[in-house]
Amino acid sequence: QQQVKQSPQSLIVQKGGISIINCAYENTAFDYFPWYQQFPGKGPALLIAIRPDVSEKKEGRFTISFNKSAKQFSLHIMDSQPGDSATYFCAASGRGSTLGRLYFGRGTQLTVWP
Amino acid sequence: DSGVTQTPKHLITATGQRVTLRCSPRSGDLSVYWYQQSLDQGLQFLIHYYNGEERAKGNILERFSAQQFPDLHSELNLSSLELGDSALYFCASSPLSGGGGAFFGQGTRLTVV
Repeated sequence: QQQVKQSPQSLIVQKGGISIINCAYENTAFDYFPWYQQFPGKGPALLIAIRPDVSEKKEGRFTISFNKSAKQFSLHIMDSQPGDSATYFCAASGRGSTLGRLYFGRGTQLTVWP
Repeated sequence: DSGVTQTPKHLITATGQRVTLRCSPRSGDLSVYWYQQSLDQGLQFLIHYYNGEERAKGNILERFSAQQFPDLHSELNLSSLELGDSALYFCASSPLSGGGGAFFGQGTRLTVV
């Protein structure tokens, strides 16, 4: 059972455009929602994260929007650049031994055309 | 650089063999997680250790085992290897006993031939 569902699977955006990736979760015990960026041959790198007590968090060109009632969260990349081309994973974790690990979405391959 | 070190970066071995993957967590991190990444399964959680103790197990095969040593480094042992075990294996560390984010190493690419 996929606890975190991510869409779209792939995304093509023009340079300067906005990239939007969406995720949904089921388990209301999750209390930490990070996004990871992965380049080919590299490990996932923590990009930005949010906790459910806020609805939005912005770091530079990256923004997480969080909708607790809908159990959804999304990543917005403003002014997308070719260097942003990578695979993005949303994830969720909670407290306790069963939820302490990260539950990942299946990933979105983002391509930004120059 | 995440501060998590994994060795080796690449490993090619034959079916039926046994290999050991090594992970050094970030300084001060007590939690170590192991994940397997493949095209068809995505990022799959294998096992979590906190300060030397096993905390949680995921989709880890019985042929696989792990441990965390007193100096906090961890090893993932894969035995009786099959072609389907070919994948990227990531170690991640965190200062927490569970929850929150984790910082990933560069991974070990295992190829079983």
